[in-house]
Amino acid sequence: AQSVTQLDSQVPVFEEAPVELRCNYSSSVSVYLFWYVQYPNQGLQLLLKYLSGSTLVKGINGFEAEFNKSQTSFHLRKPSVHISDTAEYFCAVTEGNSGYSTLTFGKGTMLLVSP
Amino acid sequence: DVKVTQSSRYLVKRTGEKVFLECVQDMDHENMFWYRQDPGLGLRLIYFSYDVKMKEKGDIPEGYSVSREKKERFSLILESASTNQTSMYLCASSPSDSSYEQYFGPGTRLTVT
Repeated sequence: AQSVTQLDSQVPVFEEAPVELRCNYSSSVSVYLFWYVQYPNQGLQLLLKYLSGSTLVKGINGFEAEFNKSQTSFHLRKPSVHISDTAEYFCAVTEGNSGYSTLTFGKGTMLLVSP
Repeated sequence: DVKVTQSSRYLVKRTGEKVFLECVQDMDHENMFWYRQDPGLGLRLIYFSYDVKMKEKGDIPEGYSVSREKKERFSLILESASTNQTSMYLCASSPSDSSYEQYFGPGTRLTVT
């Protein structure tokens, strides 16, 4: 069975500093990986996804993530954060073995950007 | 743009009441999902549906049921609401292709008193 671990529940950072949000997954087969963002009082919005191909994936709002199969990780990075990046970030995985494969989500990481 | 709408943003119900949460998507997606979101627990799948009148249990189906009579609409039903069902409920939809991407509604914050 697939599972996701987000290693940090909160990450405080100053504006314009770089940030990395960590995500590790567990699965016995090939996986597809996602990062979603949730701004206060809103639903989830897709930031980026890895399905195949290049292991470095670029997403919206300047975020990128790198798929590392040997370390079973999919860490999210941004070189310079803004106040508006303050939100909760969720990593998710699916084994993709059917057209309705479900996503398994991590518990989320709250990114707190201060001036 | 894909749009997933949920009938209420905020809902307050009493213990024992029957509660209906409605979700509608406008992109002709085959799959629809109901999650609950609680602090520190992330998103947990309650039920999902891959076709009209089809449903599958997720990780935490106890105390819930669902209905999908039309492709665009997926309802979550709390037969007898309890205080431990106070939570944020999120609906999502996805196509049945190989993208696996889910599109989320804004959520319904349900309080059971």
